[in-house]
Amino acid sequence: QVQLQQWGAGLLKPSETLSLTCAVYGGSFSGYYWSWIRQSPGKGLEWIGESKDSGITNYNPSLKSRVNISVDASKSQVSLKLSSVTAADTAVYYCARVLSPSGYDYFDSWGQGTRVTVSS
Amino acid sequence: DIQMTQSPSSLSASVGDRVTITCRASQKIANYLNWYQHKPGTAPKVLIYAASNLQSGAPSRFSGSGSGTDFTLTISSLQPEDFATFYCQQSYSPPYTFGQGTRLEIK
Repeated sequence: QVQLQQWGAGLLKPSETLSLTCAVYGGSFSGYYWSWIRQSPGKGLEWIGESKDSGITNYNPSLKSRVNISVDASKSQVSLKLSSVTAADTAVYYCARVLSPSGYDYFDSWGQGTRVTVSS
Repeated sequence: DIQMTQSPSSLSASVGDRVTITCRASQKIANYLNWYQHKPGTAPKVLIYAASNLQSGAPSRFSGSGSGTDFTLTISSLQPEDFATFYCQQSYSPPYTFGQGTRLEIK
C-alpha cells in the first residue's frame, strides 16, 4: 500500500516562495506521474501540475509562470515550488499519485494535505 | 480548459436513500471522468474512475455512468459514513479540472 507523506512551511508572507515536499513509501516511484492539487478555503479542488521521473512535467496554465514541480527518484520524493505567493494561494495542498489503467488517469493515492496560509 | 459543472451543489438525504449526483462537461470527454469523496480534514478518495469503474476498496453501493458530456454518480443506499462532499474530475485533457463539488448532508 503506497503512502504519501508531505511537509513544508505553513505560513508565508506575500511575495515569498511556497515549498512543499512529498515522500512516497511502500510502492514504486518510477514510472508514475506525481501531481499537486490544492483546495482554497471554501472552494473546490484545483490541479496545479504533475511530473514524472523522466523529467516530463505538465502545469496548469493559470499557474505555469510561477510553478515548478520536480522529482528526486533516488529519494522517492516530489517537490512543489510556487513563487511570488499572494493571499489567493492560501489553500490546503495535496500531493497525489496518478494511476493510468489503459490510459484513464486518476488520482488514486493522496498525501495528508498541508495547510498553507499567506499573510503579511 | 474543460469546465465541469455538478448538480446539485448540496443535497440533504437520509440513511437508506438512493442518491444521484450529476456532472456535466463543457465539451465531450468520452469516459475520462472520475469521482472522489472528500471528508473534512482528510484527503479525497477516488470512488469511480473512467466513468463506471469501481475503485478497489470502494463500497459496491457506489456506481457511475455516462459518456460524452453527462455523467452520474449513484449511491444505492446511503450509509452514515457516506456524508461528505463529492467531486467529479475530467482526465480527458490537461489542465485536469474538477467540478465545484456536491455537499451531501444528513436530513
